[in-house]
Amino acid sequence: SQQGEEDPQALSIQEGENATMNCSYKTSINNLQWYRQNSGRGLVHLILIRSNEREKHSGRLRVTLDTSKKSSSLLITASRAADTASYFCATDTRYGNKLVFGAGTILRVKS
Amino acid sequence: DTAVSQTPKYLVTQMGNDKSIKCEQNLGHDTMYWYKQDSKKFLKIMFSYNNKELIINETVPNRFSPKSPDKAHLNLHINSLELGDSAVYFCASSQDYGSETQYFGPGTRLLVL
Repeated sequence: SQQGEEDPQALSIQEGENATMNCSYKTSINNLQWYRQNSGRGLVHLILIRSNEREKHSGRLRVTLDTSKKSSSLLITASRAADTASYFCATDTRYGNKLVFGAGTILRVKS
Repeated sequence: DTAVSQTPKYLVTQMGNDKSIKCEQNLGHDTMYWYKQDSKKFLKIMFSYNNKELIINETVPNRFSPKSPDKAHLNLHINSLELGDSAVYFCASSQDYGSETQYFGPGTRLLVL
């Protein structure tokens, strides 16, 4: 079964706006990761947040983690057309190196 | 240099055929994975190998058989292909079994007719 569920399923914004995507999961985790997938390509790792962290930044990316609510959010600030992609959260569930992915959020940034 | 490569990129075949997908990583990683992404974009792990040993084997039909000739390669052989096998198959690798970040290949788009 899918561990993570992303919300919204699709998001369309103007260049320069911020994009927020949410992820919910079901079981205890070691860490939560966000990946990007450009159309027709493989997944690229963006950022990892550990279960004992609450917030992490990387460039224009900001990730939060609320383990009490079993949820995470990814914020992309000052979006660009090149940010158009699908974004997936993936949880590492403490039982070995098995990432469980959500269904993804399709982000479209219009220029 | 491509870190994780897969061949072929596209594969169109008839039901009942047997086909293989190859994966190679030049990152010096110990652990490799196969994932299946269905038409709704759900990505699910199928297998994981660490130093040529199988460590994760999800509930996958035994028509799917992974083979790791060395730690840089993890191939996926599929027997008696079915319509439901149509998907995108991704290979990935990580430094070792305890490493968190995985590096994905570009995917192999399999269409079974």
